[in-house]
Amino acid sequence: AQTVTQSQPEMSVQEAETVTLSCTYDTSENNYYLFWYKQPPSRQMILVIRQEAYKQQNATENRFSVNFQKAAKSFSLKISDSQLGDTAMYFCAFMIYNQGGKLIFGQGTELSVKP
Amino acid sequence: SQTIHQWPATLVQPVGSPLSLECTVEGTSNPNLYWYRQAAGRGLQLLFYSVGIGQISSEVPQNLSASRPQDRQFILSSKKLLLSDSGFYLCAWGNYNEQFFGPGTRLTVL
Repeated sequence: AQTVTQSQPEMSVQEAETVTLSCTYDTSENNYYLFWYKQPPSRQMILVIRQEAYKQQNATENRFSVNFQKAAKSFSLKISDSQLGDTAMYFCAFMIYNQGGKLIFGQGTELSVKP
Repeated sequence: SQTIHQWPATLVQPVGSPLSLECTVEGTSNPNLYWYRQAAGRGLQLLFYSVGIGQISSEVPQNLSASRPQDRQFILSSKKLLLSDSGFYLCAWGNYNEQFFGPGTRLTVL
């Protein structure tokens, strides 16, 4: 069975500093996609960043970047220059290619950015 | 651009009452549609998904059912709600490499 583990239930960071959220996953499949979603207090799920497993280059989106280690099945999210608006729950998820597009989520990390 | 709507936004229902949550998508055709439940603010669990009209796959046996009467409409139902059905219900649309979520419905069963 595929699983996603986020070992940090809560984290905090000072505004303007950098924070890294951890995620590991388990699958026997070779073709899949990895995601980080953000859920602010409004509870809207917002896609932050996506990584294709076949790509060795780590994805980046402005202040957000990932460290994808396929052999270790690790997919961490780095947030640079943290802003107060980054305060949210962050969910790691993955999707097996060609299996209905189903997302499997971790339990989330609650990030607080402090002024 | 694509937009996904869910209603109602919040709902309080007594145990044993029926349920109908609706999700509609605009700006795309033949999307894959998904229902997730989030309990206690953590971890989304996939309940149902649909790759076309009338095609429903259930991921978790439970008190709920889903239907897709039109291409861009996805409905979550129950004949008799249980206390354990309380939670935050999210509809999503997507394809085979990304997924986008609606605003969600907060359901409280009393």
